[in-house]
Amino acid sequence: DGGITQSPKYLFRKEGQNVTLSCEQNLNHDAMYWYRQDPGQGLRLIYYSQIVNDFQKGDIAEGYSVSREKKESFPLTVTSAQKNPTAFYLCASSLAGPNTGELFFGEGSRLTVL
Amino acid sequence: GQNIDQPTEMTATEGAIVQINCTYQTSGFNGLFWYQQHAGEAPTFLSYNVLDGLEEKGRFSSFLSRSKGYSYLLLKELQMKDSASYLCAGVSGGYNKLIFGAGTRLAVHP
Repeated sequence: DGGITQSPKYLFRKEGQNVTLSCEQNLNHDAMYWYRQDPGQGLRLIYYSQIVNDFQKGDIAEGYSVSREKKESFPLTVTSAQKNPTAFYLCASSLAGPNTGELFFGEGSRLTVL
Repeated sequence: GQNIDQPTEMTATEGAIVQINCTYQTSGFNGLFWYQQHAGEAPTFLSYNVLDGLEEKGRFSSFLSRSKGYSYLLLKELQMKDSASYLCAGVSGGYNKLIFGAGTRLAVHP
């Protein structure tokens, strides 16, 4: 079945460590996105990519990095420079282009910094 | 700016109707989405309005007025499983870059 797979679902990290969250989709979507969700707040856009080998910063990109070497994959690295990384991270994908439709979300990865 | 505002919490009774409002203050939104999110889970798509008017889909309907920067989600015949957060999101710019509101937590009680 087509969909988006995020891993790991839960992750614990010590301060000062980098961690990478995986996001894979088999929907043949060109566009992929990373959002962060904190309690009582909406989803905030970290990075997005409209096509392979290209990506743009979202509203809260500081302390994060991404790559888009393959259409199916859009991993997010949470670096030690991210001051408050404990959050719920959601990956999504969509058809590229203007107003082409909905985002399809993965199940999320919950990161806790100890 | 790109503020999207929605009420933080709402409560309603099983079987009733509830309307969740969303207002936005931007000239750059090209459409409006509504998503449902149960606690700890991923958001799931409910509706998308790009033109003014009402879109009906079963028990859920969504309305958009672009000139007023206003949308609402209408849920009919409420069920306990409708207890969730409802996220309003505007499409920013020329692509599917969604800007989300903080969400409205709906509690449905017997």
